[in-house]
Amino acid sequence: KNEVEQSPQNLTAQEGEFITINCSYSVGISALHWLQQHPGGGIVSLFMLSSGKKKHGRLIATINIQEKHSSLHITASHPRDSAVYICAFSPGGATNKLIFGTGTLLAVQP
Amino acid sequence: ETGVTQSPTHLIKTRGQQVTLRCSSQSGHNTVSWYQQALGQGPQFIFQYYREEENGRGNFPPRFSGLQFPNYSSELNVNALELDDSALYLCASSFAGVAYNEQFFGPGTRLTVL
Repeated sequence: KNEVEQSPQNLTAQEGEFITINCSYSVGISALHWLQQHPGGGIVSLFMLSSGKKKHGRLIATINIQEKHSSLHITASHPRDSAVYICAFSPGGATNKLIFGTGTLLAVQP
Repeated sequence: ETGVTQSPTHLIKTRGQQVTLRCSSQSGHNTVSWYQQALGQGPQFIFQYYREEENGRGNFPPRFSGLQFPNYSSELNVNALELDDSALYLCASSFAGVAYNEQFFGPGTRLTVL
């Protein structure tokens, strides 16, 4: 079983819809990351959080440490939001490596 | 402030050959991590370098090796290439010493092994 699971794996939405991507993890973490990857490979960090909620523009990330669960929400989705969204966590310790989920492929149609 | 850069962007090698991939860290960062991302998968941690020393390693064989230079740039070397080494290789830089330090990713090098 993977240490981090994302759902759904694929998501198609209409422009303007509210989108939620979920992430569950099975071990203790020092931080939870949400990242965005466009075709071609480049990865951009969207959020890094260890508790509560963060908001940046139309994006909102929440985390529930007790339930080992995080969600990424996109409000008023737009075709330019189409990308792979990846959940990852830092297990802590001397190495700040990231353990990644397999990602959610989001397609927002006009 | 310059971002993380990687070279080359694409590379084609044949089985058994050796390859060197390069990464320049973001200005001010002293830690670099390398990840391998197979098609349709999330990135997998290869290793991390901090102040020119390996500071953690994932489940990769010794033919995957690395270096970090005094200017904090880094190389990933892979010997005896296998077909399964075909992947996107990503480096990420960060500044150790800050709690929950964020990682900044380069654009990646796409390696194809024939």
